[in-house]
Amino acid sequence: EADIYQTPRYLVIGTGKKITLECSQTMGHDKMYWYQQDPGMELHLIHYSYGVNSTEKGDLSSESTVSRIRTEHFPLTLESARPSHTSQYLCASSGADKTGGFLYEQYFGPGTRLTVT
Amino acid sequence: AQTVTQSQPEMSVQEAETVTLSCTYDTSESDYYLFWYKQPPSRQMILVIRQEAYKQQNATENRFSVNFQKAAKSFSLKISDSQLGDAAMYFCAYRSDNYGQNFVFGPGTRLSVLP
Repeated sequence: EADIYQTPRYLVIGTGKKITLECSQTMGHDKMYWYQQDPGMELHLIHYSYGVNSTEKGDLSSESTVSRIRTEHFPLTLESARPSHTSQYLCASSGADKTGGFLYEQYFGPGTRLTVT
Repeated sequence: AQTVTQSQPEMSVQEAETVTLSCTYDTSESDYYLFWYKQPPSRQMILVIRQEAYKQQNATENRFSVNFQKAAKSFSLKISDSQLGDAAMYFCAYRSDNYGQNFVFGPGTRLSVLP
């Protein structure tokens, strides 16, 4: 059974604070993704990783940064939160897993709803 | 670059009726995968159905089926016997068979189910 976790689920924070959104998956998938989902619900890819020590920026410019030090962990950091960062952030994984299988689709976490005041 | 279009921002269906959500895509590739995802209000995005482009047979999953027209680059989702729990945002997505390519999502269709 695939599992992907995101914490916190909800976060309200003041402007200028540094925050880290956590994402972990148990499947050992090599690919992981971060999406920003706006109020209109459209998904925008902001970061992705194809493996440990591999990270790339996505289609939507973002002031956030990511790291991939372990296969199962893909945290997203905002050094200085601003109201424009208020959004829903979705983490997903796919690709080759630790059992030798392959997931063609993306498996999504429950999301983090961030509000910056 | 590939694009995915969902021309219906909102749809509604009466409970127990059938509804079809449209999706078209643009690609120059011959091998790829197509997906429909469902995102209920304030809940997790889940996969509804997957179609491999090399398969001529349309995928089905219980009440959900697709009409895959490769030449027309069309991939519609049919929901039969609609239930209140089907109310959600539905996203059509494309994935190249090229390992280095990312997924491309459509803008979504919001489906309401009327009792």
